[in-house]
Amino acid sequence: EIVLTQSPATLSLSPGERATLSCRASQSVSSYLAWYRHKPGQAPRLLIYDASNRATGIPARFSGSGSDTDFTLTISSLEPEDFAVYYCQQRSRWPFTFGQGTKVEIK
Amino acid sequence: QVQLVESGGGVVQPGRSLRLSCAASGFTFSNYGMHWVRQAPGRGLEMVAVIWFDGTKKYYPDSVKGRFTVSRDNSKNIVFLQMSNLTAEDTAVYYCARDFCSDSSCYLPAYWGQGALVTVSS
Repeated sequence: EIVLTQSPATLSLSPGERATLSCRASQSVSSYLAWYRHKPGQAPRLLIYDASNRATGIPARFSGSGSDTDFTLTISSLEPEDFAVYYCQQRSRWPFTFGQGTKVEIK
Repeated sequence: QVQLVESGGGVVQPGRSLRLSCAASGFTFSNYGMHWVRQAPGRGLEMVAVIWFDGTKKYYPDSVKGRFTVSRDNSKNIVFLQMSNLTAEDTAVYYCARDFCSDSSCYLPAYWGQGALVTVSS
């Protein structure tokens, strides 16, 4: 099973600041890496797929990069709705696993 | 727009069974694979079932294989998750999600429902 390790566990930032989240895979997942935002009580939302492609309706402040085992999600300027938990997910090899999440909280 | 509504959650005793349903609307259901993903309290997300658009392929992780069965009714736009021999470790919010790709599966949950809570407790 491919293990995805996200860091940091918690990121404390202010609105308008830049957020950089990391996801590391235990083996190569090529570019089959996605990012989701999950707010309490809501459905998770797909942000980025295949490492760097923004999903439909996702604003340009979200960007993804990386390949093989190291990936980054960058939020260029945090909006109030961005304070949430972010998960990465690989679809390279079954079982398709998620990271444990990074919580972005208001500082 | 894509809408997914889960139902059937609740409290169930250990060892018993429960069936979740997910009603889909806003897209051509028979063209898309569907996923079930769960989140246990205080934990991350775990994909527990995938079914192809036509029901011909199904995937389960070892943690639920032999106990969970995913199925779908393309005439009624519903996907099901039959769960048996439940344990406390199955306590979670269960989400259904539509795949990103049509006519196959990208194994990429693109649109999610609000979730249904399943609590396994005596």
